[in-house]
Amino acid sequence: GDSVTQMEGPVTLSEEAFLTINCTYTATGYPSLFWYVQYPGEGLQLLLKATKADDKGSNKGFEATYRKETTSFHLEKGSVQVSDSAVYFCALSRDTGRRALTFGSGTRLQVQP
Amino acid sequence: EAGVTQSPTHLIKTRGQQATLRCSPISGHTSVYWYQQALGLGLQFLLWYDEGEERNRGNFPPRFSGRQFPNYSSELNVNALELEDSALYLCASSLPGGRIVLEAFFGQGTRLTVV
Repeated sequence: GDSVTQMEGPVTLSEEAFLTINCTYTATGYPSLFWYVQYPGEGLQLLLKATKADDKGSNKGFEATYRKETTSFHLEKGSVQVSDSAVYFCALSRDTGRRALTFGSGTRLQVQP
Repeated sequence: EAGVTQSPTHLIKTRGQQATLRCSPISGHTSVYWYQQALGLGLQFLLWYDEGEERNRGNFPPRFSGRQFPNYSSELNVNALELEDSALYLCASSLPGGRIVLEAFFGQGTRLTVV
């Protein structure tokens, strides 16, 4: 079945550091890929998405490129801020069968001033 | 425009009781998804409703059930509550049609505590 694997957290960085959160997936066909963010005490918000190979999703300084050859969708940001502290979830959605999102386990990011 | 709303925000129940959680999707959205976010376990897919019908369910026992009403709002019912049912239950909605969900909007969740 479909699955999403994320790097274990927590990830602790200093402000202005470079961020990478790894995400790989297993799915048949051509899934769409997403990054969601969950700030403390809140629900999930869509951060960015990519619907086909080599697409780059970007938002709020975050980027991720859909790499079909490595089945990866790593999240990056050049300079993190304290306000980026949250839990980040990688997810996929396939175009056949179950339409609901399949999520990774989440990676907690802590940014220190 | 109102987002996805869930009620109640918090719910405390005793083991063996039943819990009912409610979700109102964004106006115009016909698909509703339920997820369980247990501590340390990420998000597990529970149920998907579209146009009033259950379209798919995750690997949960039958005591997890629900329904979708004609106005597309939804209820999640959990019968015979067990301690391990304690979790944040998230509802999401998406636009109708299409073969994939391009964007799902999430509510703030209902925190269910079973004691």
